Amino acid sequence: NAGVTQTPKFQVLKTGQSMTLQCAQDMNHEYMSWYRQDPGMGLRLIHYSVGAGITDQGEVPNGYNVSRSTTEDFPLRLLSAAPSQTSVYFCASSYRRESPLHFGNGTRLTVT
Amino acid sequence: AQKVTQAQTEISVVEKEDVTLDCVYETRDTTYYLFWYKQPPSGELVFLIRRNSFDEQNEISGRYSWNFQKSTSSFNFTITASQVVDSAVYFCALSNSNYQLIWGAGTKLIIKP
Repeated sequence: NAGVTQTPKFQVLKTGQSMTLQCAQDMNHEYMSWYRQDPGMGLRLIHYSVGAGITDQGEVPNGYNVSRSTTEDFPLRLLSAAPSQTSVYFCASSYRRESPLHFGNGTRLTVT
Repeated sequence: AQKVTQAQTEISVVEKEDVTLDCVYETRDTTYYLFWYKQPPSGELVFLIRRNSFDEQNEISGRYSWNFQKSTSSFNFTITASQVVDSAVYFCALSNSNYQLIWGAGTKLIIKP
C-alpha cells in the first residue's frame, strides 16, 4: 500500500498562475481533506470530502477549488495564486470522518 | 467557539528526562474526539492517539502516556525517559461536531543528547 500520495513535493508559482496539487489514496477511505500549514498556526482545513461527488468547505477555502470524481483522488486547484498561499499543503484521508487521519508527505508551495 | 491551546511553543530537555506537553481545549459539544499527532523534522504527520469524550481513562503506550481530564479540559501528553528520536513538533487536535479537526499551534520538542 502506498497510503496517501501527494504530488509535487515542491512548487514555485508566480502570482496569478494556476496549478493543481494532486492527492491519491489507495486505502478506500471515504473521507479526504486538504490542510495548509503555516508557521505557528498549526493546520487549517481548506476543503474536505466525505465521499465521491461530495465536497465541502473548511476553515480557509477562499482561493481553492476541489473535486472528488473518484474515491481515490482529491485534487486541490489554485485558480490564481497569491503570495498569501505560500504554505505547506497536506492531503489526508481516513476511513470515517472521526477516524485518525493518514497524511501525505506534503507539498511546499511558494508564490512569488 | 472551539479552540485548542498548546501554550508551550518550544520545550528543550536533556535525553532521559521526562517531559509533559500540555493541551487545553474549548468546546460546547458533549461528544468530541481529541487527537495527538507528531511531526518529526522530516515533515510527515503521524497519528499517535485518539480519545473520545466519554473515555477518561489514561492511556500508556511504551514511553508515551496521555492524561485526559474533562474537568480541566486538558489532554496532556507525557514522554518518559525521552530520547533524541522524540524530537519533533507535537500537535493536539479537537474534532468538532462536524468532525472537522481544530488544531493547536504545536509544541516543538527538542531532546538534547
